[in-house]
Amino acid sequence: SAVISQKPSRDICQRGTSLTIQCQVDSQVTMMFWYRQQPGQSLTLIATANQGSEATYESGFVIDKFPISRPNLTFSTLTVSNMSPEDSSIYLCSVVREPQGTQYFGPGTRLLVL
Amino acid sequence: DAKTTQPPSMDCAEGRAANLPCNHSTISGNEYVYWYRQIHSQGPQYIIHGLKNNETNEMASLIITEDRKSSTLILPHATLRDTAVYYCIESGTYKYIFGTGTRLKVLA
Repeated sequence: SAVISQKPSRDICQRGTSLTIQCQVDSQVTMMFWYRQQPGQSLTLIATANQGSEATYESGFVIDKFPISRPNLTFSTLTVSNMSPEDSSIYLCSVVREPQGTQYFGPGTRLLVL
Repeated sequence: DAKTTQPPSMDCAEGRAANLPCNHSTISGNEYVYWYRQIHSQGPQYIIHGLKNNETNEMASLIITEDRKSSTLILPHATLRDTAVYYCIESGTYKYIFGTGTRLKVLA
């Protein structure tokens, strides 16, 4: 398995502001992902965080709204920009542990936008 | 859209086996079946995965049909702490598409 931490664990923010979420892994990993889970819904993949290059975004998600950094193989950040109440969700990072290829998820960041 | 289908909810008596089905009729030859569970909005927890053979670990067993179009996750002796949403995912590229999962309620 992998030990993954996220900061903050939860936050309440005002609309129009931005929040940066951090994801730290206990060892180097090649692949990291960011997911969103809206209230009462399943998880949706936002993007793949690539080390040394721009993130790869899924349909419906854009870099201006969700900029992602991946400065090294153990750390990534996701910023939720210009927030609105519709951005209220749980945001989760995950990593792939090789060679099994299984994903392990962080505890999530609970965001409420007022 | 998710490529797997699962019943939305199931109940199971504590101490009995919980059998959770999943249909993945469009699975291709190099795609694995993964099972995760999510307990009350925590991060999803990995349970087990398989390609075509049945698998067993300390948490559960995974039975995959010979044609690979469906599978069953078996929790042999369900406890109250197994109450969660269980997700079945097929993937060959590390990118997961989550469906709505099965909400398992273990009853005392």
